Amino acid sequence: DSGVTQTPKHLITATGQRVTLRCSPRSGDLSVYWYQQSLDQGLQFLIQYYNGEERAKGNILERFSAQQFPDLHSELNLSSLELGDSALYFCASSAYSNQPQHFGDGTRLSIL
Amino acid sequence: QKEVEQDPGPLSVPEGAIVSLNCTYSNSAFQYFMWYRQYSRKGPELLMYTYSSGNKEDGRFTAQVDKSSKYISLFIRDSQPSDSATYLCAMSGSARQLTFGSGTQLTVLP
Repeated sequence: DSGVTQTPKHLITATGQRVTLRCSPRSGDLSVYWYQQSLDQGLQFLIQYYNGEERAKGNILERFSAQQFPDLHSELNLSSLELGDSALYFCASSAYSNQPQHFGDGTRLSIL
Repeated sequence: QKEVEQDPGPLSVPEGAIVSLNCTYSNSAFQYFMWYRQYSRKGPELLMYTYSSGNKEDGRFTAQVDKSSKYISLFIRDSQPSDSATYLCAMSGSARQLTFGSGTQLTVLP
């Protein structure tokens, strides 16, 4: 058990909808990262937050947004969903930005 | 060309064999090198984390980094059926987001 908790485990929704994925980092970790894993693209970095502030952006679509709250949990919001957004979404956390990242078990998003 | 190249396999070995997994990279800015193991329907699990060139050993696992050749390896000794999983190399530079290889699927046969 990595100590990173992601909810829900599975989400099934339709095109055009909006969903929110939640992540609770390991106790004491200030940095949260979001990744997308798909069969054709592999694991891709989306966005990083550190102690409530956005630190880095990767291949994140404008339809996607995230935030980190004062209690350090993070949410990834996906809107106007398309079939191609079906993927596994992982959250990882680390104590500081130069420490190894530990991953949760992901949220599997299926768009019908 | 991808920044990180990893042979996708699949790789199948008998129990007790030595397994060698490899990645090459093109970005000289990468400073931190990791190996993750991912079981089906689970998140990546950190196995090894290294910073400099050279070898790092942890139990049956040895990570090797050669920055001059932009090449990293993971060796698994005395492989077990429980080692069957997908192995992902990952690396990062001063910006700490990870760039992953595509993963190698390993099966250890009893």
